[in-house]
Amino acid sequence: EAGVVQSPRYKIIEKKQPVAFWCNPISGHNTLYWYRQNLGQGPELLIRYENEEAVDDSQLPKDRFSAERLKGVDSTLKIQPAELGDSAVYLCASSGLQETQYFGPGTRLLVL
Amino acid sequence: AQSVAQPEDQVNVAEGNPLTVKCTYSVSGNPYLFWYVQYPNRGLQFLLKYITGDNLVKGSYGFEAEFNKSQTSFHLKKPSALVSDSALYFCAVYSGTYKYIFGTGTRLKVLA
Repeated sequence: EAGVVQSPRYKIIEKKQPVAFWCNPISGHNTLYWYRQNLGQGPELLIRYENEEAVDDSQLPKDRFSAERLKGVDSTLKIQPAELGDSAVYLCASSGLQETQYFGPGTRLLVL
Repeated sequence: AQSVAQPEDQVNVAEGNPLTVKCTYSVSGNPYLFWYVQYPNRGLQFLLKYITGDNLVKGSYGFEAEFNKSQTSFHLKKPSALVSDSALYFCAVYSGTYKYIFGTGTRLKVLA
């Protein structure tokens, strides 16, 4: 069974540029999460989807971040415009029953 | 406010010795409790979980965790540590209504 797929794995951009991350969850998993993780710290939830509905986006900085999961399968997270402080690893995870999360490898973003 | 605490930033243990990584939580109701591990430059991996039943839960790679309701703790343990267990360990709690909280992480260093 394929795991959670994320792309790209690495991204370097200049500040004020847009950037997008893509995630394909494990087949059959209705729940999808986007997290941001800074070095040596725990993941911080950005948004949680149940199918195509965003059920928790309270921590998503909506002035510059947006996300979509139009068909309830894969998802895209966008930042526009990026700021220096957005440099981090962006993790996608999915879960089925009982809330066990399976994480992708992450996208390491560096904003210069 | 609901929270998860990992009181030790780092735990050092000699190879072959038992290890304990501590986690306490402050969550209402009957939460689900998880441990995840993150190896260098890798995504997070699920280790084990407690939902209900036996307070001692066994997981991957010989790890186990003990749920203690009175102390609201869920400490991770292993009888004999390996150098390859060196990684970053995260405790997480799911409290229902889409609330999933990660601890700040504990770096485990197993010394040869």
